[in-house]
Amino acid sequence: GEDVEQSLFLSVREGDSSVINCTYTDSSSTYLYWYKQEPGAGLQLLTYIFSNMDMKQDQRLTVLLNKKDKHLSLRIADTQTGDSAIYFCAWPSGQTGANNLFFGTGTRLTVIP
Amino acid sequence: GAVVSQHPSRVICKSGTSVKIECRSLDFQATTMFWYRQFPKKSLMLMATSNEGSKATYEQGVEKDKFLINHASLTLSTLTVTSAHPEDSSFYICSARDAQQSNEKLFFGSGTQLSVL
Repeated sequence: GEDVEQSLFLSVREGDSSVINCTYTDSSSTYLYWYKQEPGAGLQLLTYIFSNMDMKQDQRLTVLLNKKDKHLSLRIADTQTGDSAIYFCAWPSGQTGANNLFFGTGTRLTVIP
Repeated sequence: GAVVSQHPSRVICKSGTSVKIECRSLDFQATTMFWYRQFPKKSLMLMATSNEGSKATYEQGVEKDKFLINHASLTLSTLTVTSAHPEDSSFYICSARDAQQSNEKLFFGSGTQLSVL
């Protein structure tokens, strides 16, 4: 099966930048996603990146993709207390048009006021 | 963006009863919906793929007679946990893919917290 690894916990101070990392083993997918899950809620799609891109910036979010090392990261600038949540990277299960996603183990981000 | 409505958000039931969870795509058609289960502090586990008008495809280890899935229309899929037991207590999340879009983006419901007493 697919392996998508993430560090489990991250604590940062409000206003600092947060960097959440994801390492995967499969490399056949066209997209990679970042989802946010607030306590007791479903997943919210935050952003995504095409596999032919190295970087994508979307307001406070920056996604970096290193295909050679199979490493994906999500940087949140000026982290706010409302950013406290679990963040999952996700990867489609195979070729384009595949139906489901594999999810990383999730990183719990805690923002300290 | 696309919205997926999942209902109920929380349900408490007695052991042995059945619970139905609904997943609706509100502003798009979803030929395929997915049901996930999440254990506390764990990632999502895909349970089954729900296909409109046909039988669901279950992942290995998921009992299809236990978790009944019905996808009767392009906007509605239901998951019924039959004869629920305490070990079925979990957070269940559905997701849907827009049939009109060519990418793999999934839109998720807000989840259902099931507690079986």
